[in-house]
Amino acid sequence: NAGVTQTPKFRILKIGQSMTLQCTQDMNHNYMYWYRQDPGMGLKLIYYSVGAGITDKGEVPNGYNVSRSTTEDFPLRLELAAPSQTSVYFCASSYSLAGDTDTQYFGPGTRLTVL
Amino acid sequence: QQQVKQSPQSLIVQKGGISIINCAYENTAFDYFPWYQQFPGKGPALLIAIRPDVSEKKEGRFTISFNKSAKQFSLHIMDSQPGDSATYFCAASKETSGSRLTFGEGTQLTVNP
Repeated sequence: NAGVTQTPKFRILKIGQSMTLQCTQDMNHNYMYWYRQDPGMGLKLIYYSVGAGITDKGEVPNGYNVSRSTTEDFPLRLELAAPSQTSVYFCASSYSLAGDTDTQYFGPGTRLTVL
Repeated sequence: QQQVKQSPQSLIVQKGGISIINCAYENTAFDYFPWYQQFPGKGPALLIAIRPDVSEKKEGRFTISFNKSAKQFSLHIMDSQPGDSATYFCAASKETSGSRLTFGEGTQLTVNP
């Protein structure tokens, strides 16, 4: 199993550009998450999904959109990139039954710079 | 209400020493407290986790101590090794939120040889 994979690894955007960060997991996990990590700030939840077709906002959703058409994929869309979105983005997945908390498995991250 | 506060921000320990990282939470509904370890350029990975029905959990050199009344929990790394040098995050969640985790700010641990 490859686990959680993310592409691209690095990206530089100009202000106002848009892009999609890709995330795929091959563990048949029902839950998937997007976090951003800023120095000294820990990981902040952007969006999450409890299954295909179901998504919900996390702590910092403004400026982002997500979709979950399959169990495996959970892309994150930035529509109008802003310097405040410069960060490292992590996708994660977990398998949870009836809302029980379980281990989250993280991808290697995408380092995004907006200039 | 959802915050998890972590300290210290950075920690330097000599090889063989004990590393201690502390976290405090506000929401009494939290019922799952994991610690994640992150190496440079990698994603975080689960290290050890505890639920509030026990006061301590040990896995090898890593121990979580949990104080429910004080709403605090800590990670102890015994016999710290240079390979333990990483960033450590505490986190918390409540069953009703599924697997949604609230993370602390992180502690950068350096273990000198």
